[in-house]
Amino acid sequence: GAVVSQHPSWVICKSGTSVKIECRSLDFQATTMFWYRQFPKQSLMLMATSNEGSKATYEQGVEKDKFLINHASLTLSTLTVTSAHPEDSSFYICSAIAGGDEQYFGPGTRLTVT
Amino acid sequence: GENVEQHPSTLSVQEGDSAVIKCTYSDSASNYFPWYKQELGKGPQLIIDIRSNVGEKKDQRIAVTLNKTAKHFSLHITETQPEDSAVYFCAASIQGNQFYFGTGTSLTVIP
Repeated sequence: GAVVSQHPSWVICKSGTSVKIECRSLDFQATTMFWYRQFPKQSLMLMATSNEGSKATYEQGVEKDKFLINHASLTLSTLTVTSAHPEDSSFYICSAIAGGDEQYFGPGTRLTVT
Repeated sequence: GENVEQHPSTLSVQEGDSAVIKCTYSDSASNYFPWYKQELGKGPQLIIDIRSNVGEKKDQRIAVTLNKTAKHFSLHITETQPEDSAVYFCAASIQGNQFYFGTGTSLTVIP
């Protein structure tokens, strides 16, 4: 099956710093990638939809200046959390569309802001 | 917009029994319905999906049924095993443009 990787798998950073999370489709080209945020014991919350070569589409309530998304190639999208604060601590998951409509998820990144 | 409801939120079954999770959706334009399994600390894994032109799909111990008229679809797991314990999410999508997720079902299979 299609494989999506994320790096890092977990990260701890100090308040006020920025963190970059990478999402890669390893064996297919992904024209669309999604970024989700998940709180403990809750469902996935879509943050933004990222299409290669164009600006990301952010969901209502998601600050685009705080969560910078770049989709520079068909296999790589990055999410940068700028000026992170403790309330940004969460599990961030990316996914990629392989071909038609099948969505494959990365393993997630656990972000802890101290 | 689309609204997906999922029941039950928790489910415990004895090993070897069957488990059924149900979801309903509101937008008749939705035509793709995947199911994901998420283990603790990991990303969701696509386990089975069904498209609106099909009423049922089976893959070994897992099956999904779709009733377009009633706008509901269900996941059936037979002969459950402890490794089936996880959180399961249903989703509805219009051709993969955006996915709307259910609230999840925590399945526990008791050995």
